[in-house]
Amino acid sequence: GNSVTQMEGPVTLSEEAFLTINCTYTATGYPSLFWYVQYPGEGLQLLLKATKADDKGSNKGFEATYRKETTSFHLEKGSVQVSDSAVYFCALSSGGSNYKLTFGKGTLLTVNP
Amino acid sequence: EAGVAQSPRYKIIEKRQSVAFWCNPISGHATLYWYQQILGQGPKLLIQFQNNGVVDDSQLPKDRFSAERLKGVDSTLKIQPAKLEDSAVYLCASSLDPTGVGVEQYFGPGTRLTVT
Repeated sequence: GNSVTQMEGPVTLSEEAFLTINCTYTATGYPSLFWYVQYPGEGLQLLLKATKADDKGSNKGFEATYRKETTSFHLEKGSVQVSDSAVYFCALSSGGSNYKLTFGKGTLLTVNP
Repeated sequence: EAGVAQSPRYKIIEKRQSVAFWCNPISGHATLYWYQQILGQGPKLLIQFQNNGVVDDSQLPKDRFSAERLKGVDSTLKIQPAKLEDSAVYLCASSLDPTGVGVEQYFGPGTRLTVT
């Protein structure tokens, strides 16, 4: 079955530091890959996505590249801000009859000023 | 555009009691999802509706959980009777077209359930 493994948190960084959150997946076929973010007190929202190998998703300074050869979709940002503090979820959707999302466990990021 | 609405936001009940959660998806979204998010874990799909029909309920504990989506718009998820392990955040999401590659799901704020 499908599964997503992302790095354990929590991750604590200083403002302007470089961020990487690792994500690897197991799936049948050719999944679409997503990063969702959950800010404190809010619902999940889509951060970025990639639908085929070598695609790069980007949004708000965050980037992730779909690497089929390593089954990975690592999230990166060159310079984090305090406002980026949130829980980040890697997820995949592998089609079939319902394209349901399979999520990783989430990584809590705290950025200190 | 209004987002996905859920109520209540918080609920505390005793074990063996019953509880119901309500979700109103984004207008025009044919697909509605209910997820369970236990503390420290990612959301897990409980049930997916396409209009008012069930597409996937393979992970719904049907002995105690039920869900309906009458008229293909809003939906209700019920737990009866509740167990301690049902303590979680229940998320509702909706999407326009479930069959598109990379289709985005839009999530509501969730209902935090505590079973004591």
